[in-house]
Amino acid sequence: KAGVTQTPRYLIKTRGQQVTLSCSPISGHRSVSWYQQTPGQGLQFLFEYFSETQRNKGNFPGRFSGRQFSNSRSEMNVSTLELGDSALYLCASSPGGRGKAFFGQGTRLTVV
Amino acid sequence: AQSVAQPEDQVNVAEGNPLTVKCTYSVSGNPYLFWYVQYPNRGLQFLLKYITGDNLVKGSYGFEAEFNKSQTSFHLKKPSALVSDSALYFCAVRDGGSQGNLIFGKGTKLSVKP
Repeated sequence: KAGVTQTPRYLIKTRGQQVTLSCSPISGHRSVSWYQQTPGQGLQFLFEYFSETQRNKGNFPGRFSGRQFSNSRSEMNVSTLELGDSALYLCASSPGGRGKAFFGQGTRLTVV
Repeated sequence: AQSVAQPEDQVNVAEGNPLTVKCTYSVSGNPYLFWYVQYPNRGLQFLLKYITGDNLVKGSYGFEAEFNKSQTSFHLKKPSALVSDSALYFCAVRDGGSQGNLIFGKGTKLSVKP
């Protein structure tokens, strides 16, 4: 089985722009979660989607949003980018949100 | 609120020696505990999990972890460290039960010297 695929791997954006990140989960997995990783804050939960519905949400501003499609692929959008949004964004999938999660290699976002 | 603590930012061991990476947790209800490893510029790789059952959990790459309910700890161990084990290790707990999101510790950098 193919693993979790995140695209693109690297992005450079300018403050004020918006960005969309994509995640393709492992085939058959219906839960997709997003995490932000920074040196200062570590790994922080953004949101989780299950069967196209947002099931959990972390403590991030409304500029961060996501969605999940019928094929379980998920996108994450960040609007009005700020320098502090520079981070590694990780996507994880699991069959139903239970048990272990499988992570993609992440998208490295740099905001300049 | 659920939380995880990794008290050591860095652990240094010599190759061939046993290693321990510490983790303590705070949860309400039954804990769902995990260890992940991250190599430079990579995502997280699953090592092992504890949901129920034996307190000693065996995982990938020769790692194991001991669940201690009274001390609320879930320390990661390996009998003989390899240089290739050098990486960043994260302990995590599922928030609010089996289907909650993962709450991660700050991570512990493991350095294994030849």
